[in-house]
Amino acid sequence: KQEVTQIPAALSVPEGENLVLNCSFTDSAIYNLQWFRQDPGKGLTSLLLIQSSQREQTSGRLNASLDKSSGRSTLYIAASQPGDSATYLCAVPRNRHRDDKIIFGKGTRLHILP
Amino acid sequence: DTGVSQDPRHKITKRGQNVTFRCDPISEHNRLYWYRQTLGQGPEFLTYFQNEAQLEKSRLLSDRFSAERPKGSFSTLEIQRTEQGDSAMYLCASSLGAGGPQETQYFGPGTRLLVL
Repeated sequence: KQEVTQIPAALSVPEGENLVLNCSFTDSAIYNLQWFRQDPGKGLTSLLLIQSSQREQTSGRLNASLDKSSGRSTLYIAASQPGDSATYLCAVPRNRHRDDKIIFGKGTRLHILP
Repeated sequence: DTGVSQDPRHKITKRGQNVTFRCDPISEHNRLYWYRQTLGQGPEFLTYFQNEAQLEKSRLLSDRFSAERPKGSFSTLEIQRTEQGDSAMYLCASSLGAGGPQETQYFGPGTRLLVL
């Protein structure tokens, strides 16, 4: 059974700092991994999707890496801004099935201090 | 196309009442998913449809829950005899259903349910 763990659960950093969010998963037989952003009381927005054949993806100030063999992914946010404050969720498809059912971590609540 | 929409956005009901939520997926998407999210947790899978066929139901979906997608377009999620433990955000997502490692799900804004 796939399990996704995110560390830390919450993080507060001053504006302008670079930061790393961590995600680990128990079954490395995944075919992609996604990072989502969720603002309070809102739905989810996909930030980055890394296919199993890839090691990283970049979008603007965001960079996500994937190490399947160790069951880890990181989301790097450069030059953080107050608008980055949100919950960041890591998610992987259910293992050994290709029906796109997603298993989520509990998220990291990020607060950027102005 | 404006993405996945859900209605209502908020619902307050008394314990024992029935509620129904609606989800309109992105028009060309064949797959539709329902998730439930409680405070401080990530979303948990409830059920999903491939066109009008409901292909899987989670153990979280008790007999009081029923979901339909009658014409393979919009979907409804009904909760009968609501309980306080049903209070959560109910999220709908859709995807093309073509498969492959690059496929992603697009989420709606959610319906927040509060059972008093």
